[in-house]
Amino acid sequence: EAQVTQNPRYLITVTGKKLTVTCSQNMNHEYMSWYRQDPGLGLRQIYYSMNVEVTDKGDVPEGYKVSRKEKRNFPLILESPSPNQTSLYFCASSVRNWGGEKLFFGSGTQLSVL
Amino acid sequence: SQQGEEDPQALSIQEGENATMNCSYKTSINNLQWYRQNSGRGLVHLILIRSNEREKHSGRLRVTLDTSKKSSSLLITASRAADTASYFCATDANTNAGKSTFGDGTTLTVKP
Repeated sequence: EAQVTQNPRYLITVTGKKLTVTCSQNMNHEYMSWYRQDPGLGLRQIYYSMNVEVTDKGDVPEGYKVSRKEKRNFPLILESPSPNQTSLYFCASSVRNWGGEKLFFGSGTQLSVL
Repeated sequence: SQQGEEDPQALSIQEGENATMNCSYKTSINNLQWYRQNSGRGLVHLILIRSNEREKHSGRLRVTLDTSKKSSSLLITASRAADTASYFCATDANTNAGKSTFGDGTTLTVKP
């Protein structure tokens, strides 16, 4: 089944403790992207990747890192999480440049930073 | 502020009625897409309309795009309780292929 898989689904952590949210897609998509969703603010793009080893900042990249060493994986790294990074996170992918193609979304990761 | 902004923020209708949601954006685009989100779940693609198109249909969905007004509308006809969800528009900036901007969404409630 074609899908985008995020893990974990829920995560509670403490300020400053490094964490990684994994994202994997099995559709051989070139484009992948991370978003955070906060009440009243819709989805905001954190980072995106047009292909392997190609990543770029979205609108809210501060406090996050990403890597794209393989086509299928696009992990989101929080080196030193802070409470303002408590949010619902989504990973998404599309065949190529997303604008002309639809995005496939993962089920989301609810992160709480205490 | 967000490139895409939906209006209204919330909409409540009876089953069988039509629901119309609007999206406005600020900069030139190549494409505009509409997505649906059931409570807290991942978004699901509904329909894509390109900048050279004015109207598009898919089942009970009708999308219009007015590039001169930088706005789009999503019409759901003969709504059902199962249409209850949040709806988002998303735009790509034609100056930066990878960036995507989502609106704040319209929460639609369809009462049986």
